[in-house]
Formats: sequence, structure tokens, C-alpha cells
Amino acid sequence: AQSVTQLGSHVSVSEGALVLLRCNYSSSVPPYLFWYVQYPNQGLQLLLKYTTGATLVKGINGFEAEFKKSETSFHLTKPSAHMSDAAEYFCAVTEPNDMRFGAGTRLTVKP
Amino acid sequence: GAGVSQSPRYKVAKRGQDVALRCDPISGHVSLFWYQQALGQGPEFLTYFQNEAQLDKSGLPSDRFFAERPEGSVSTLKIQRTQQEDSAVYLCASSLAIGGDREEAFFGQGTRLTVV
Repeated sequence: AQSVTQLGSHVSVSEGALVLLRCNYSSSVPPYLFWYVQYPNQGLQLLLKYTTGATLVKGINGFEAEFKKSETSFHLTKPSAHMSDAAEYFCAVTEPNDMRFGAGTRLTVKP
Repeated sequence: GAGVSQSPRYKVAKRGQDVALRCDPISGHVSLFWYQQALGQGPEFLTYFQNEAQLDKSGLPSDRFFAERPEGSVSTLKIQRTQQEDSAVYLCASSLAIGGDREEAFFGQGTRLTVV
């Protein structure tokens, strides 16, 4: 069965600074990987996904992530943080008929 | 509907009470998932349906939890004799399929269950 590990339950950056949220996965088959964002009292919203093809994927709100098979990683980045990026971020991995989430990383953006 | 709809949004139950949580997936979506999200945690898998078939219920924490999707659309998650540790947000997600290039899951806003 697949699993996801998100390193760092809390990340704090200054507005305008680089955002890096780490995700490592394990999967017995080629994975499909996702990043979701959750704002307070809201459901999960898809940021971006990797299925096949290009390993650098771009998502909404200026986020991108790179699939690195050799490192079993799918880290999420954004060059310049916005105050509106403050939220909880979840990495997820799917195999057929199954989707598992990491524990989440809470991003705080300081003015 | 336009998205996944869950009801009620909030539910307060007395310990020992039975509750039923409803999920209306996006029309035509084959796959439906239930997750439990405790405060400060990521969503934990509970169960998965493909149409009306419950293919995986390995995440249900006890036999007090039961889920059904009798006609392959609306799903109900039932919790019997609720306990305080059942307090969490229960998320429902649906997708066209799992596998291939259509596996994006769309989430409802969740039902926040508080057991007092």
C-alpha cells in the first residue's frame, strides 16, 4: 500500500520569500501524485497533479511541483509567497481505487 | 449539482447517539471516498465505493461505522453509538474514475461531527 510523508507540520515564511513544502511517498506502482490546499472551514481544493509525462507540473496560484522518482519526492514550491497562501497543504498519492494523504503542512506567511 | 455536497455541515451528537452523514457526489462520478480528518491531521481513508460496490472498507475504525451507496450515487456514512473519539470532520470525495488520467478527486466541504 502507498503512503505519504510530509516533512514539517508547520512552515513559516515571509511574504515574498520562497515556499518549499516537502513530500515523500512510497508506492508499489507508478504513482499519481497530488497537492491539495485547504483553507479554514473549507474543503480540499486541488493545486496540481502529476500523472505521467513532464515531471515538473504547474498548478494554480503560482505553485509548482517536481516529481523525482529517484528521490520518491514531490515537493511543492512557489517562488514568492503571498499572504493569501496561508493554509494547510496536503500531499496525496493514488493507486487504483485508493488515495492516501499526508498529515499536512500548515503554511504561515508573515508580513 | 456543481460540486460534491455534504450534509449536515455541522452535527453535535450526544455520546451513544447514532448519526448519519450524507454525501451527494458529482453526477456521473463512479468513485466515491470517505475520509476522517481529526483536528490538525490529514484526511484518513475510511472507505471507497465504485458505483454501488464497496470495494474497500479497510479504513473504517470499528464495526460502529457503516457506509452504503445503494444506487451508486448518494452515499451515507453511519456511525452507531458515537464516542468522543469519533469527533472529526468527515470528508467525502468523488471522481470520474481512479486510474488513467481522470483520477482527480473533488471534495465536499465536510461534516464536522462533535460528540459531547
